[in-house]
Amino acid sequence: AQSVTQLDSHVSVSEGTPVLLRCNYSSSYSPSLFWYVQHPNKGLQLLLKYTSAATLVKGINGFEAEFKKSETSFHLTKPSAHMSDAAEYFCVVSDPGSREDTGRRALTFGSGTRLQVQP
Amino acid sequence: GAGVSQTPSNKVTEKGKYVELRCDPISGHTALYWYRQSLGQGPEFLIYFQGTGAADDSGLPNDRFFAVRPEGSVSTLKIQRTERGDSAVYLCASSLGGPSDEQFFGPGTRLTVL
Repeated sequence: AQSVTQLDSHVSVSEGTPVLLRCNYSSSYSPSLFWYVQHPNKGLQLLLKYTSAATLVKGINGFEAEFKKSETSFHLTKPSAHMSDAAEYFCVVSDPGSREDTGRRALTFGSGTRLQVQP
Repeated sequence: GAGVSQTPSNKVTEKGKYVELRCDPISGHTALYWYRQSLGQGPEFLIYFQGTGAADDSGLPNDRFFAVRPEGSVSTLKIQRTERGDSAVYLCASSLGGPSDEQFFGPGTRLTVL
């Protein structure tokens, strides 16, 4: 079984300061990990994904995340927050299951972290 | 190009009624997914289609929920005898179908059951 825990439901930062959104996961196999962003009244948008290549993943809008297997973490960071970054962020895991189990594609979402950016 | 579209954007119904929610995936995407997002929570998986067949329906909460994709493109999520607890945003996504392919999400249908 797979699960995702987002450690903070709300994070507030000042514009221009670093952002850290924390995520821990649980998976039986080698998972794929994603971060999605959801702006108010807009659809979910993929920020970045990890699929067993480089452990440091760069995404859109200056975001990046580092996969740490020993810590089962996939924290999202950005060096300098912008007002437009204010949104809901979801850490997501996709566990493909065993090689024989080709029917599993479901994404498991964390409960979300709301990022506020203060001027 | 066109993204995933969902209709209607909002649906208000009364307890006990039947509703249908429609999803048009990105052209060429063989995989289609339905998720449900309750207020203040992350989306929860309902069902996944590969082509016309449901490859995984383990997320459907009970037999009041049913989904079809008869021609491998458009999908309809059907909810019978709606209950107030069914109120949520229903999201549809599509992808090329590989295990780590990006799922592209539609804007969702907000269902309110009075």
